[in-house]
Amino acid sequence: EVQLVESGGGLVQPGGSLRLSCAASEFTFTSYDMNWVRQAPGKGLEWIAHISGNGRSIYYADSVKGRFTISRDNAKNSLSLQMKSLRAEDTAVYYCAAGWRSFDPWGQGTLVTVSS
Amino acid sequence: QSALTQPASVSGSPGQSITISCTGTSSDVGRYDYVSWFQQHPGQAPRLMIYDVSYRPSGVSNRFSGSKSGNTASLTISGLQAEDEADYYCSSYTTSSTRVFGGGTQLTVL
Repeated sequence: EVQLVESGGGLVQPGGSLRLSCAASEFTFTSYDMNWVRQAPGKGLEWIAHISGNGRSIYYADSVKGRFTISRDNAKNSLSLQMKSLRAEDTAVYYCAAGWRSFDPWGQGTLVTVSS
Repeated sequence: QSALTQPASVSGSPGQSITISCTGTSSDVGRYDYVSWFQQHPGQAPRLMIYDVSYRPSGVSNRFSGSKSGNTASLTISGLQAEDEADYYCSSYTTSSTRVFGGGTQLTVL
């Protein structure tokens, strides 16, 4: 069964940094574009970053551009999101999801809380 | 990167049909047939229900259907069941090569 598992979430102070990871199993990782999608507590889904299968094409939402960096290691079937200059409004569950024009499958999410 | 517009809530009785709309612009919904719909139950990750406007992934009930007209896409659920009660989100690819979600619609099965 195709599986995506996020890790790396936690509590971080405003202005701090955090790195999220997403481990993929049971599918041909290099064939899939990947995304990070977040959901603030009680709010809707927000797409924040996309990377192509070969890592050459990357796109960000304006809300995170210049602060977050998406990357992938196809040899390790792994996706990452480096987050810096974190703000309270970045508090959310962060999901990784596969696909270039849709999102499937999804991981279970990892919670990031930005608070002092 | 404005969010797509969805009604905040819809409701229906078991057995009835409901439709959720998703309105975008000529830069997203109106430009591409790359609209998807997701179902999310509380505490769970979203689940893909419809992709490319009207296609159902394997395992999704044929009670779920999608369509599009101009800048507005729609999700119809027929034969409502209690298990359909959830939040529903649309998404679209955009001319900026970004992706955008709708604000979400809470479906209540009365």
